[in-house]
Amino acid sequence: DAGVTQSPTHLIKTRGQQVTLRCSPKSGHDTVSWYQQALGQGPQFIFQYYEEEERQRGNFPDRFSGHQFPNYSSELNVNALLLGDSALYLCASSLVTGEQYFGPGTRLTVT
Amino acid sequence: AQSVTQLDSHVSVSEGTPVLLRCNYSSSYSPSLFWYVQHPNKGLQLLLKYTSAATLVKGINGFEAEFKKSETSFHLTKPSAHMSDAAEYFCVVSDQRDDKIIFGKGTRLHILP
Repeated sequence: DAGVTQSPTHLIKTRGQQVTLRCSPKSGHDTVSWYQQALGQGPQFIFQYYEEEERQRGNFPDRFSGHQFPNYSSELNVNALLLGDSALYLCASSLVTGEQYFGPGTRLTVT
Repeated sequence: AQSVTQLDSHVSVSEGTPVLLRCNYSSSYSPSLFWYVQHPNKGLQLLLKYTSAATLVKGINGFEAEFKKSETSFHLTKPSAHMSDAAEYFCVVSDQRDDKIIFGKGTRLHILP
């Protein structure tokens, strides 16, 4: 079992650009959640996808959007990047009410 | 509204001595509580969870935590620290009504030889 995988591992973008991060859930899981972890902070919940629909959303602007595919994998899209979007982006998968398993994250640097 | 407060940003203990990482929470409904560990350049790993069963919860690697409703606390303990325990630890609260998950700011545990 590969567990939760995320790609890419690292990414450098320029202010104003757009970025797409990808997540493949643990085998058998149907729910994917995304978190932003700024340096020295705890992860902050962005949103959760279940059955290809956004089920819950945290306090993030509409520049942050996502998608879940029929195979349960997911993408996180961020438009009009700001310097403050620099962070580790974590994906977690679970069954809809179960324990979350986290991937290693994607480190995004915005310059 | 839910919230979680980790009372110490850094804790240093000597190898072989007890570990105590403190966490207080606030939740309007019956909370689920978790402790996660994050080693450098690695993903978050679940140590243990409380979901309204036994108030003393045993986790992996010798860690345990006690849910105290009267004190709204969920402190993490380990009888004897090991060098491999050095990491960042996060206390997490989830409201069983809406499953929203709130992380604390983390406690960095340092183990002194």
